[in-house]
Amino acid sequence: GAVVSQHPSWVICKSGTSVKIECRSLDFQATTMFWYRQFPKQSLMLMATSNEGSKATYEQGVEKDKFLINHASLTLSTLTVTSAHPEDSSFYICSGGPRERSYEQYFGPGTRLTVT
Amino acid sequence: DAKTTQPPSMDCAEGRAANLPCNHSTISGNEYVYWYRQIHSQGPQYIIHGLKNNETNEMASLIITEDRKSSTLILPHATLRDTAVYYCIVRPNSGGSNYKLTFGKGTLLTVNP
Repeated sequence: GAVVSQHPSWVICKSGTSVKIECRSLDFQATTMFWYRQFPKQSLMLMATSNEGSKATYEQGVEKDKFLINHASLTLSTLTVTSAHPEDSSFYICSGGPRERSYEQYFGPGTRLTVT
Repeated sequence: DAKTTQPPSMDCAEGRAANLPCNHSTISGNEYVYWYRQIHSQGPQYIIHGLKNNETNEMASLIITEDRKSSTLILPHATLRDTAVYYCIVRPNSGGSNYKLTFGKGTLLTVNP
């Protein structure tokens, strides 16, 4: 299957600072990528759909000004958690699929964010 | 997307077949059944998907009932590394935001030595 990478794999930041998480498709081009959040012992919750060259689409209840998404190229989407608070501590996962077969979704390994 | 129902947990002995059921009684005609799994602290991994015919790949087999209201994922020879949460998801194979996956709670499969 196709490969999706995320960087960093884990990050600790202080409350009030911003953190950027990168999601890269290594061997395919993706016009659409998805960002999920997962709290301990819970399932993945879709946060937003990242569209190359256009604005992201956010799920209900997700603050677009707090979770900034940029999809500047067909292989890179970034999620920036602005003014992070301890309640933003979570496991963030991205996914994407080849644009010619977008129904195939491949997931990154996830980024563990801890806000102190 | 159609809702799915899975048992919260199952146990399986190493080397035996693991049969994970999924109920999707409200599935639409254009919706596929997808299975993903998530090993602890990792991103989900695609396993298999199907529309109405049974499917098999190197990881698993997918058996879909004739009325498509339920399916079973079969891991023929479970190993300890198959311990994970298994998610059954239904969605259309059409474009745009329909590609997004809506995850339920899944089934925690524990493979025991």
